[in-house]
Amino acid sequence: GEDVEQSLFLSVREGDSSVINCTYTDSSSTYLYWYKQEPGAGLQLLTYIFSNMDMKQDQRLTVLLNKKDKHLSLRIADTQTGDSAIYFCAEIDSWGKLQFGAGTQVVVTP
Amino acid sequence: EAQVTQNPRYLITVTGKKLTVTCSQNMNHEYMSWYRQDPGLGLRQIYYSMNVEVTDKGDVPEGYKVSRKEKRNFPLILESPSPNQTSLYFCASRLGNTIYFGEGSWLTVV
Repeated sequence: GEDVEQSLFLSVREGDSSVINCTYTDSSSTYLYWYKQEPGAGLQLLTYIFSNMDMKQDQRLTVLLNKKDKHLSLRIADTQTGDSAIYFCAEIDSWGKLQFGAGTQVVVTP
Repeated sequence: EAQVTQNPRYLITVTGKKLTVTCSQNMNHEYMSWYRQDPGLGLRQIYYSMNVEVTDKGDVPEGYKVSRKEKRNFPLILESPSPNQTSLYFCASRLGNTIYFGEGSWLTVV
């Protein structure tokens, strides 16, 4: 199957920017997503980007897509303690299947 | 309100005792799927359904069954649960690029 890979852990100081990276292998991906999961909670859709876009900005969130390298990133500006969570990258592949990465645990320190 | 509803949300059961996790959506979506989430592995697809009476295996179907007798419901059946099926389970429905997740079902098999 196709793989979506993310680093497992990121520590960031409050007020700094966080950058979470993701790579995927299916070049025919149509949509790519970022989900947030707080402890004990379900999945919250943060944002998504269509594969023909390079960038999408939504308030503190910026998504960058490099199709050539199959690299997706999520930047969180002015990171707050409430941003501590697991962040999942996901893609819809050519079969319409949603493939997830393993998730990046983001810890925000004072 | 558009939603995906799973039940039960929390369950502790014993090995071998058949159980069903129900999933219902009120959006008339054709596509529904089940995922399990395990630490360090992200979400992996168990089964999916493209429409009524059409189901197919995902990445980790062993030990699970599903049915899709009507569009709104997609139950996940564990005929003989084992401890390695202890996990957090998510049901999802999809229309195009819009995906809705249930709140998750925490299942522990002892």
